[in-house]
Amino acid sequence: ILNVEQSPQSLHVQEGDSTNFTCSFPSSNFYALHWYRWETAKSPEALFVMTLNGDEKKKGRISATLNTKEGYSYLYIKGSQPEDSATYLCALNTGNQFYFGTGTSLTVIP
Amino acid sequence: GAVVSQHPSRVICKSGTSVKIECRSLDFQATTMFWYRQFPKQSLMLMATSNEGSKATYEQGVEKDKFLINHASLTLSTLTVTSAHPEDSSFYICSARDLQGWTLHFGNGTRLTVT
Repeated sequence: ILNVEQSPQSLHVQEGDSTNFTCSFPSSNFYALHWYRWETAKSPEALFVMTLNGDEKKKGRISATLNTKEGYSYLYIKGSQPEDSATYLCALNTGNQFYFGTGTSLTVIP
Repeated sequence: GAVVSQHPSRVICKSGTSVKIECRSLDFQATTMFWYRQFPKQSLMLMATSNEGSKATYEQGVEKDKFLINHASLTLSTLTVTSAHPEDSSFYICSARDLQGWTLHFGNGTRLTVT
């Protein structure tokens, strides 16, 4: 079992603030790094898949970066909105399996 | 596209009974499905990989006789928790790889409570 860590575990921000959180993973066995957004009572929704060192992906106000050499990825949310409140999961894809972090629970306060 | 339906979303059963959870890919064929379990404040833990037409591959520490997985078709995998005990109470969620193999698509999960 590979250890994927996310920090912080939870986060409260004011509406309009920008925020970021971290996913760290063992850089051996790397195939891809995935970010998912998981709202309560819904299924996790895929945000990004990143494969190359230095990759940057963006979807609206959310973006992510990847460093495979040092084994970390950052997720950024610009100008947080209440609808961004969710748990953000990262997962290391080794090609055969996905190993998930514990998630960062984000609450955006109106 | 790529919708995964999981049923039931919530089930309460008595100790000693068996519970079946279904996972269906609605608009794509999934040769491989994954079953995860989540304990409170912990990450999704892979239980087993379900392969269509063959036996499931279980992770270390997961009892295959306890958690029976059947993947009889390209769109359906089932997880049966046999002789359930209170310690089996947990959140179970299935997922399937899309055709490109890059992304997992998840069901909504099943909250199992064994009394």
